[in-house]
Amino acid sequence: EDKVVQSPLSLVVHEGDTVTLNCSYEVTNFRSLLWYKQEKKAPTFLFMLTSSGIEKKSGRLSSILDKKELFSILNITATQTGDSAIYLCAVELNYGGSQGNLIFGKGTKLSVKP
Amino acid sequence: EAQVTQNPRYLITVTGKKLTVTCSQNMNHEYMSWYRQDPGLGLRQIYYSMNVEVTDKGDVPEGYKVSRKEKRNFPLILESPSPNQTSLYFCATRSPPGRGLITYEQYFGPGTRLTVT
Repeated sequence: EDKVVQSPLSLVVHEGDTVTLNCSYEVTNFRSLLWYKQEKKAPTFLFMLTSSGIEKKSGRLSSILDKKELFSILNITATQTGDSAIYLCAVELNYGGSQGNLIFGKGTKLSVKP
Repeated sequence: EAQVTQNPRYLITVTGKKLTVTCSQNMNHEYMSWYRQDPGLGLRQIYYSMNVEVTDKGDVPEGYKVSRKEKRNFPLILESPSPNQTSLYFCATRSPPGRGLITYEQYFGPGTRLTVT
């Protein structure tokens, strides 16, 4: 059975801290891995990763994929209260060489205290 | 402006009363899907559609129906809602891969919070 596991489920830090969120996966036919941020509404797209070892960066957020060990991490440096959200990891399955379904993890709830 | 819209945004209903949650997109995307989100369970796919008249079950299809008669609309139908279908529902569409990209972005609608009493 395809699955995506995120850890920790919940995390509380103080402003300025650096956090690392983990996402491991076991799927039959991997195509890509995606990270989303969800505040009080719909998830918004952060990163898409397809190749091992290539870091994607956007401001204080960065992410990397390890296809050999089947995991990805999302790093947030110098956290701010606005980073408080649920962070979702999803793996896209390969569907006959084309776009496939997404399997979501349960998310990591990050709370950043002032 | 690229948009995925859902209606209604909030709904409280009673067991057994048929309801439809509409989803519409203006981006000409072929792929559309429905998810439900529950505390501790994350986002789970209900149904998806690769294109017009092509739909398939996701992970939790029981108690739901969908139709895709035209590209822009993908309604979710609950023929006989039950309390265990109380949840937050998201419609999502996916852009086709851009040039040089393997994949795309997935756009979520604003969500529909459904309560079945």
